[in-house]
Amino acid sequence: DGGITQSPKYLFRKEGQNVTLSCEQNLNHDAMYWYRQDPGQGLRLIYYSQIVNDFQKGDIAEGYSVSREKKESFPLTVTSAQKNPTAFYLCASSKPGQGNEKLFFGSGTQLSVL
Amino acid sequence: AQTVTQSQPEMSVQEAETVTLSCTYDTSENNYYLFWYKQPPSRQMILVIRQEAYKQQNATENRFSVNFQKAAKSFSLKISDSQLGDTAMYFCAFMKGTTDSWGKLQFGAGTQVVVTP
Repeated sequence: DGGITQSPKYLFRKEGQNVTLSCEQNLNHDAMYWYRQDPGQGLRLIYYSQIVNDFQKGDIAEGYSVSREKKESFPLTVTSAQKNPTAFYLCASSKPGQGNEKLFFGSGTQLSVL
Repeated sequence: AQTVTQSQPEMSVQEAETVTLSCTYDTSENNYYLFWYKQPPSRQMILVIRQEAYKQQNATENRFSVNFQKAAKSFSLKISDSQLGDTAMYFCAFMKGTTDSWGKLQFGAGTQVVVTP
């Protein structure tokens, strides 16, 4: 079955440490996205990529970095510059175009600070 | 910038009853999409229903239907014949209809729906 796989499910970060969240899709989708969810809030867009080797900042990109070297993969690095990294992170993908407005989401990664 | 407001933090409904969730949004765009996503305790995001702004007809998906009032910028979700499995957080979301905005959703804060036996 096609879908989006996020790993790990839970991740802990020490002070000053960079951590990387994995997102892989086998849906052959061109576009991929990273969203952050805080308790009591809706999702907010961190970064997105509409094509391989290209990505754009979303609404809350500071303290994060991404790469898109392969169509299937869109890893997110939470750097030490992100002072409040504790949140639930969701990766999504889509095939842009009329009739394809649905986002397909992964099952998420909960990041906590030790 | 677009904003999406969900004014009901939590709603409770009995099985088989109907519940309506409210959502308002602010935009100057004429071409856009609106969505309701469901997030159960598993935290998986599931698309419930979507509406294209240029379509006047309200979208329906089985027990889920919307009341889209474009002039009032209102997009409410009605859940009919509520089931225990409907217990979840429900998010309203907005997306501009331009190519460079695809997948860039603005979400409301969510409404927690609890279905009781």
